[in-house]
This record gives sequence, C-alpha cells and structure tokens, in this order.
Amino acid sequence: EDKVVQSPLSLVVHEGDTVTLNCSYEVTNFRSLLWYKQEKKAPTFLFMLTSSGIEKKSGRLSSILDNKELFSILNITATQTGDSAVYLCAVSPGTYKYIFGTGTRLKVLA
Amino acid sequence: GAGVSQSPSNKVTEKGKDVELRCDPISGHTALYWYRQSLGQGLEFLIYFQGNSAPDKSGLPSDRFSAERTGGSVSTLTIQRTQQEDSAVYLCASSSLGHTDTQYFGPGTRLTVL
Repeated sequence: EDKVVQSPLSLVVHEGDTVTLNCSYEVTNFRSLLWYKQEKKAPTFLFMLTSSGIEKKSGRLSSILDNKELFSILNITATQTGDSAVYLCAVSPGTYKYIFGTGTRLKVLA
Repeated sequence: GAGVSQSPSNKVTEKGKDVELRCDPISGHTALYWYRQSLGQGLEFLIYFQGNSAPDKSGLPSDRFSAERTGGSVSTLTIQRTQQEDSAVYLCASSSLGHTDTQYFGPGTRLTVL
C-alpha cells in the first residue's frame, strides 16, 4: 500500500532556530514529491522534487530528495513567527493521484 | 486571473440534510481535484476530473457523495443525508496539466454537521 509518513508530527522552536522536517514514502512508480505550507485552509505550493540529490531553494527554505532511501527533507533556516504552519508532503505514484502525509505542525515562538 | 475559489467558506447543517459545495478552478486549468481534510489529518483524495474524460471517483467514501463538473469548469460536490463524520474541510484544487503540474488549492469549505 502506498504511504507517506511525515515527522515530527509537531515542533516548537524559537525565532532564529533552524528546523528540518522529514517526509518518507513508499509508493510504486514514484513520479514527484511536493511540499506545501498550510497556514489556515488552503495549502500553498513550496517545492516540487523529481530528481534525487538536487536541492531546491527559495529564500530561507530548501528541500532535497533522496529517491534511493525514499525520503525528502525540508529545511527552514532563521525561522520567523510567520513560518508557523502545517507543512504537508505529497507524493505522486506515477498517476494523477497524490498521497498526502498528515503534516508537521510547526510553531515558531517570538 | 483569480485563484481557485470555493463557496461557501463555512457551512453548518443538521444531520440528514443535503449540502452542495462549489469550486471555481483557475481559468484554463483542465484538471480539478476534491480532497477532504479531517481535523489533524492529511488530505484525503475524493475525486479527480480531467478535461472531458470520465472522472476518477475512487476516493469517494460512500454513495452519499457525488460530484459534477459542468462545461469543464465549475464543479459541485454534493453530500446527501449528511452524517456527523462528514464534518471536515473540503478542499478543491486545480492544475493545468493534471499530474504533471502542481496543484493550486482553494480556501476550502469548512463543513460542520450537527
């Protein structure tokens, strides 16, 4: 059965800290892995990863995929209170369907 | 243009009533998804529309759930005889090339069944 597991489930840090969020997966015919940030209702797109070992970067956020060990990490450096959100990982098993993890809830304290 | 829109933003209904949730995708996007997110859970796939092809309804949890997409644009998710376990946020997303592109999500409809 295809599955996506995110860890930790929740995390509390102070502003300025660096965090690493994990997403591991077991799917047939892996196609892509996506990261989303969900603050209220609508998830907003962060990264799409298809190739192993190539880092995607956007400001203080970066992500990398290891499709041999079947995981991805999302790093956030110099965290700010505005980074507080649920971070969702989704994997496409070669079809139009996406399998979502339950997310990591990040809270950044001032 | 505008992003994905959904209405209503919140819906409170009594057990046993029918509800209709609406999604307006981004103009030109051929693929449309419906997801359900229960409290503290990830997104659960419900249904997928792609152009004029037959929709993939494999994620619908029961025959009380149905969805339509008229004219390849607006979609309506209908839940008949609502139950308390139907309470969740219902999210709609659209994309331009189906599984080969990223999904853009609407703000969701929070459904509460009393």
